[in-house]
Amino acid sequence: NAGVTQTPKFQVLKTGQSMTLQCAQDMNHEYMSWYRQDPGMGLRLIHYSVGAGITDQGEVPNGYNVSRSTTEDFPLRLLSAAPSQTSVYFCASIHRDSSEAFFGQGTRLTVV
Amino acid sequence: KQEVTQIPAALSVPEGENLVLNCSFTDSAIYNLQWFRQDPGKGLTSLLLIQSSQREQTSGRLNASLDKSSGRSTLYIAASQPGDSATYLCAVSTNTGANSKLTFGKGITLSVRP
Repeated sequence: NAGVTQTPKFQVLKTGQSMTLQCAQDMNHEYMSWYRQDPGMGLRLIHYSVGAGITDQGEVPNGYNVSRSTTEDFPLRLLSAAPSQTSVYFCASIHRDSSEAFFGQGTRLTVV
Repeated sequence: KQEVTQIPAALSVPEGENLVLNCSFTDSAIYNLQWFRQDPGKGLTSLLLIQSSQREQTSGRLNASLDKSSGRSTLYIAASQPGDSATYLCAVSTNTGANSKLTFGKGITLSVRP
């Protein structure tokens, strides 16, 4: 059971660089989401998707883009990284019936 | 707007003690509540999920209760062990399935002393 897989686990970017954080799930969940976790702030929702081709903004969407071309994959793009985007990023998928959430192991991103 | 509070932010107990972690939420119109464990540098592991129609769930030494009307949940850990040291987060879901939105507390960092 792979569950939710995130890559990479660690990344260092220079200000202004772009990158894509990958997230894949093998549970056939329609709902997927991205969170960032910062000290003292808890987990905050960045973007979410309720199915292929459907995405929407969460609490802190600025500076991030998402797309959902398949049920399995939900990548998060940083177009021009800023130091304020230094954080730990978590991808989650939610079971349709129980609404139980499953999380990936996270990507620790540092922007210098 | 739903707000989830976990107090205290940190807790240290001796091994073997039974303990209770608290979680409170402001809007009682929830679909479910989930407790997670997070080890340092790791992801979130689901411990227990309580649907809004349920009062409690049990898994091994863990028991979670839910009182929707008062906006509270507790996670009871029996006979604590050093391996239980981690951060425990609760999250409430305000909708169902594909439209679920999770609101998290900031977590309680538990340290169990040998």
